[in-house]
Amino acid sequence: DIQMTQSPSSLSASVGDRVTITCRASQGIRNDLNWYQQKPGKAPKRLIYGASSLQSGVPSRFSGTGYGTEFTLTISSLQPEDFATYYCLQHKTYPWTFGQGTKVEI
Amino acid sequence: QITLEESGPTLVKPTQTLTLTCTFSGFSLTTTGVGVGWIRQPPRKALEWLALIYWNDDKHYSPSLKSRVTIAKDTSKNQVVLRVTNLDPVDTATYYCAHTILRGGIESWGQGALVSVSS
Repeated sequence: DIQMTQSPSSLSASVGDRVTITCRASQGIRNDLNWYQQKPGKAPKRLIYGASSLQSGVPSRFSGTGYGTEFTLTISSLQPEDFATYYCLQHKTYPWTFGQGTKVEI
Repeated sequence: QITLEESGPTLVKPTQTLTLTCTFSGFSLTTTGVGVGWIRQPPRKALEWLALIYWNDDKHYSPSLKSRVTIAKDTSKNQVVLRVTNLDPVDTATYYCAHTILRGGIESWGQGALVSVSS
């Protein structure tokens, strides 16, 4: 299985801060990586697909970069509605695997 | 608009079999490249991918549950069924079904169904 190591596991930030979350794959996954946002009691929502493509309707303050084994999700200016848990997902190889999540707190 | 809805029991006893149904709309499981998968999330824990079935009946399973899980589709009803046998309390989780596309990963999610395993 491909292991997805996500860091940090949690972070505290303020409105307006720039936030970066990283996922590292245990082997190369091309750009077959998505990022999801999950709020308490809700299903995840896709933010980024193909490592860097912004999902339609998602604010442009979200961006993704990376290829191969290193990937980042950046929120350029944190907004109150962005406080949530974020997950990466590799879908290059079965079984698909998620990172352990990053909880973004105030 | 794509929608998915999970249905099934909320409480199951240990050793029993769980059957969950995903009913979807807004896409067809006969379209090339389309798939429906299942993911679960134990309370306060991370997401775990379980299984996936594609338009051509190709199926993939998580090795950690492979011997206990089966996935099947009924295209006439726009449904996908997940069965998990020999349940244990550690299988307590919210179970999500999701729409997937080849090379696109998970695109859309159902709202989830909480299943508790307890005697």
